[in-house]
Amino acid sequence: DAGVIQSPRHEVTEMGQEVTLRCKPISGHNSLFWYRQTMMRGLELLIYFNNNVPIDDSGMPEDRFSAKMPNASFSTLKIQPSEPRDSAVYFCASSWTDQLYEQYFGPGTRLTVT
Amino acid sequence: DQQVKQNSPSLSVQEGRISILNCDYTNSMFDYFLWYKKYPAEGPTFLISISSIKDKNEDGRFTVFLNKSAKHLSLHIVPSQPGDSAVYFCAATAGYGGATNKLIFGTGTLLAVQP
Repeated sequence: DAGVIQSPRHEVTEMGQEVTLRCKPISGHNSLFWYRQTMMRGLELLIYFNNNVPIDDSGMPEDRFSAKMPNASFSTLKIQPSEPRDSAVYFCASSWTDQLYEQYFGPGTRLTVT
Repeated sequence: DQQVKQNSPSLSVQEGRISILNCDYTNSMFDYFLWYKKYPAEGPTFLISISSIKDKNEDGRFTVFLNKSAKHLSLHIVPSQPGDSAVYFCAATAGYGGATNKLIFGTGTLLAVQP
């Protein structure tokens, strides 16, 4: 099993540009999560999906952030326009709903906005 | 408003000794707790968990203790090995067995095990 796949692994962009992060969950998992890691706040849940449906997006910082899951094997997190304070590592994770909290994380995307 | 707090950003321990990582929480509704381990340039991986109906759970060298009255849990690693050097995240959730599986993570503790 390839595990959770994220792309790109690193992204450097200028303020105001659109950024799209991509995630392929583990096949068969029906829950998908987007997290952001910063030194100050640790791992913050941004949004999670169950069976491709967004369940809780209360962690999305503001309207500049949006996430989609068009099918069970693909999700995107978009930031438009990006700002320097968005610089962080973004993780995608997936799990089986009946496995509850044992989430499998991807390697993360390190985003730098200059 | 951090509901899960790891007040020690880092910890250094000698190989073979015990490592104790601490975590405090504020939400009394939390009923399931987990520890994740993270190596550089990798995503976190699940390590061990405990339900609020227990006060201890053990898995090999790793033991998690839960003190509900103090809203405190700890992870003990005995004996510590250099390969245990990583960032350890504490996480908690409410509604175990329910429809939601939302985790609240702490800020992490960097453990360095010196050979």
